[in-house]
Amino acid sequence: GESVGLHLPTLSVQEGDNSIINCAYSNSASDYFIWYKQESGKGPQFIIDIRSNMDKRQGQRVTVLLNKTVKHLSLQIAATQPGDSAVYFCAESGGSYIPTFGRGTSLIVHP
Amino acid sequence: DSGVTQTPKHLITATGQRVTLRCSPRSGDLSVYWYQQSLDQGLQFLIQYYNGEERAKGNILERFSAQQFPDLHSELNLSSLELGDSALYFCASSASGQGNSPLHFGNGTRLTVT
Repeated sequence: GESVGLHLPTLSVQEGDNSIINCAYSNSASDYFIWYKQESGKGPQFIIDIRSNMDKRQGQRVTVLLNKTVKHLSLQIAATQPGDSAVYFCAESGGSYIPTFGRGTSLIVHP
Repeated sequence: DSGVTQTPKHLITATGQRVTLRCSPRSGDLSVYWYQQSLDQGLQFLIQYYNGEERAKGNILERFSAQQFPDLHSELNLSSLELGDSALYFCASSASGQGNSPLHFGNGTRLTVT
């Protein structure tokens, strides 16, 4: 499949485990954060978002945690499935209103 | 399916040539963003349009230009192509154009410059 980065951090998990993907952001003015999933050969797909007035948001099998003190964002995936294998990007936007993407983390789920 | 359509899916061309990439945004979205994704640079913002007007510019080369038409589709023009321009080019659309709502991405155009 396509690679989106030569030196992406990689997280390998077993099917059924919980996965945690981390992201550090740099702009203190950022007030909106999004997680995207990119599968091979496709564009990034929106998973979940969170605004800076929240520190936790849950979706279906996914939870995003925001720690503004240390400028850290995490994506938790419960009961990880082989179909979750992809590259995951966090994105932040704030003063410039243009979403800035992190470098991505490759999640590999072993059956 | 994000609702964003990009054509063509693949382009192979020679150095010095010019190409045009096309994007149709999701129905109802007024804002279009263009991003470049290469192996060593991740997703890099190029340019944003909102309702036909340029709203923001990123690290877009002078050899590159874009526009958004009255029907809201957008085109990215790449000229005097160099080997280093080989990359995936993504278009994304959003409703607000203010960075406070999710972007919806097309599946990209893979450009190969030989």
